[in-house]
Amino acid sequence: DTAVSQTPKYLVTQMGNDKSIKCEQNLGHDTMYWYKQDSKKFLKIMFSYNNKELIINETVPNRFSPKSPDKAHLNLHINSLELGDSAVYFCASSQDRGSNEQYFGPGTRLTVT
Amino acid sequence: QEEVEQDPGPLSVPEGAIVSLNCTYSNSAFQYFMWYRQYSRKGPELLMYTYSSGNKEDGRFTAQVDKSSKYISLFIRDSQPSDSATYLCAMMGAGGTSYGKLTFGQGTILTVHP
Repeated sequence: DTAVSQTPKYLVTQMGNDKSIKCEQNLGHDTMYWYKQDSKKFLKIMFSYNNKELIINETVPNRFSPKSPDKAHLNLHINSLELGDSAVYFCASSQDRGSNEQYFGPGTRLTVT
Repeated sequence: QEEVEQDPGPLSVPEGAIVSLNCTYSNSAFQYFMWYRQYSRKGPELLMYTYSSGNKEDGRFTAQVDKSSKYISLFIRDSQPSDSATYLCAMMGAGGTSYGKLTFGQGTILTVHP
């Protein structure tokens, strides 16, 4: 039973399109995250939600909009995709916002052409 | 300059070797120090963590933190081909702006060849 799952696993799309990535965790955790891993493997936090409330919002273009319908789900919508958005996007969860133990999903590999 | 610096390697060692992986950091607010392992095309998984300074051992893995030098290490003894992966250090503060937010190093690519 997958703890943190993401869909889709791969996403290939053209510049200017809008796309969404979905994440679900079945660990009963309160806090969820979106990370971006670029081609050099740097993993950087984008957003974090705690019990559906946005608590971390790093310097990310406002074309990226997270949404948490409930504490087990965190989605990421990206408008007007650009070439530089190509990366692997990871969802993660932790017991609470202060926990250093984060559990990552398998990632969504986004390619913008 | 990044808050957390990690040599990306790649590092190639023979099976059975002792591997040393390191990170340096600049933010003195960091209190939690983690090592994640990431296999190719997979998500990172937590290997071990240390709070503040000191050592921690788990099987073949030992994590060391030297806060005075802002330097952390992960040692892998008797390395196995199955240890081949990217190892990422990560850090978090106990309060302030780094609270609840992992800051990662770039990751070191390790290959253990038979």
